[in-house]
Amino acid sequence: EVQLVESGGGLVQPGGSLRLSCVASGFAFSSYWISWVRQAPGKGLEWVANIKQDGSVKNYVGSVKGRFTIFRDNAKNSLDLQMNSLRGEDTAVYYCAREGIGGNDYWGQGTLVTVSS
Amino acid sequence: EIVLTQSPGTLSLSPGERATLSCRASQSVSNSYLAWYQQKPGQAPRLLVYGASTRATGIPDRFSGSGSGTDFTLTISRLEPEDFAVYYCQQYGNSPPHTFGQGTKLEIK
Repeated sequence: EVQLVESGGGLVQPGGSLRLSCVASGFAFSSYWISWVRQAPGKGLEWVANIKQDGSVKNYVGSVKGRFTIFRDNAKNSLDLQMNSLRGEDTAVYYCAREGIGGNDYWGQGTLVTVSS
Repeated sequence: EIVLTQSPGTLSLSPGERATLSCRASQSVSNSYLAWYQQKPGQAPRLLVYGASTRATGIPDRFSGSGSGTDFTLTISRLEPEDFAVYYCQQYGNSPPHTFGQGTKLEIK
């Protein structure tokens, strides 16, 4: 069974940092692009970043460029999102999701990040 | 960056009726790489359709996608009670970001 499990969310002050993790199981992790997608409370989905199978290509949405960094460790079937200089507008549930043949075919349950003083 | 605009914002229908949801892109979506997702409260999104018209694994055939270029449609032929949810389109064919539409809420009339 394909599973993606996020962790690392919590309350952080504006300007602070947080590192999210996503552990995958049930599929060949190193064969897939993986994305981070977020959803602010009561709002729609926002694509945040993705990373190629070998980690050689990383893409980010403009609003997080220079502040967020996506990493993967294929030996551990894990994906991280290092988030620095956090702002109130970064408050959201963060999902990791596998990029399949088309679109994101498997999603984690999400982890909530709250940026507030 | 491609902007996806979904309409209507809210659609009120009854079980058994047909639902038609629209997604319009600000520029052509390469290779019709357009996906549709369903999201229910407190749950992660679920992939319904990719490549504009291919149903994902396990998705009932009452869900169908169509379109190309800048105009795409998700049709639910006969609404079941479990279909009332929020629906999002996403383009993944052009350079990132792989943007989502703002969503259409399908509610029971």
